[in-house]
Amino acid sequence: DAGVTQSPTHLIKTRGQQVTLRCSPKSGHDTVSWYQQALGQGPQFIFQYYEEEERQRGNFPDRFSGHQFPNYSSELNVNALWLGDSALYLCASSLLSGGEQYFGPGTRLTVT
Amino acid sequence: QKEVEQDPGPLSVPEGAIVSLNCTYSNSAFQYFMWYRQYSRKGPELLMYTYSSGNKEDGRFTAQVDKSSKYISLFIRDSQPSDSATYLCARLSGSARQLTFGSGTQLTVLP
Repeated sequence: DAGVTQSPTHLIKTRGQQVTLRCSPKSGHDTVSWYQQALGQGPQFIFQYYEEEERQRGNFPDRFSGHQFPNYSSELNVNALWLGDSALYLCASSLLSGGEQYFGPGTRLTVT
Repeated sequence: QKEVEQDPGPLSVPEGAIVSLNCTYSNSAFQYFMWYRQYSRKGPELLMYTYSSGNKEDGRFTAQVDKSSKYISLFIRDSQPSDSATYLCARLSGSARQLTFGSGTQLTVLP
């Protein structure tokens, strides 16, 4: 059973560009949450998706948007990239009914 | 004040030592607390969780919550080089059951 997978592993973008990160949840999970982890910091909650809808959002601007597909996989989109968006982006999957959140290995985004 | 604050470290101990990792939290209404371990270039993995107050033990690991002082701790007995990682405390809350993490403590266990 594959766990949570994310792609790509690494990404380098220029300020002002747009980026799309992808996540496939653990088999059987229906809920996907995205977190941003800056270097030397703990992960910060961006938002959560269930049934293709955004359920909850953390303190992130509208430049951050997402999508969930019928197969429960998810995308994170960031527009108008800033240098400060450089971070490890983590996807976590779980069941809406409860239980552990399983994290993927993350996508390392560097904005130059 | 951050919701969850963690001793920044880094922490370096010899193999076999007892390790104590600590966090404080700001809101006494918080009830669910987690400890995650994160190896370099990996996502966090859940080590232990506790509900409300008291101790929970799992092998070499013990998680402790002291609600009166708003203090959460993770103890590692007989530490091993394979325990070298960043340890993150977190609390669970909200309708989305989102996690709020501390900043992490980097632990190195020297052989």
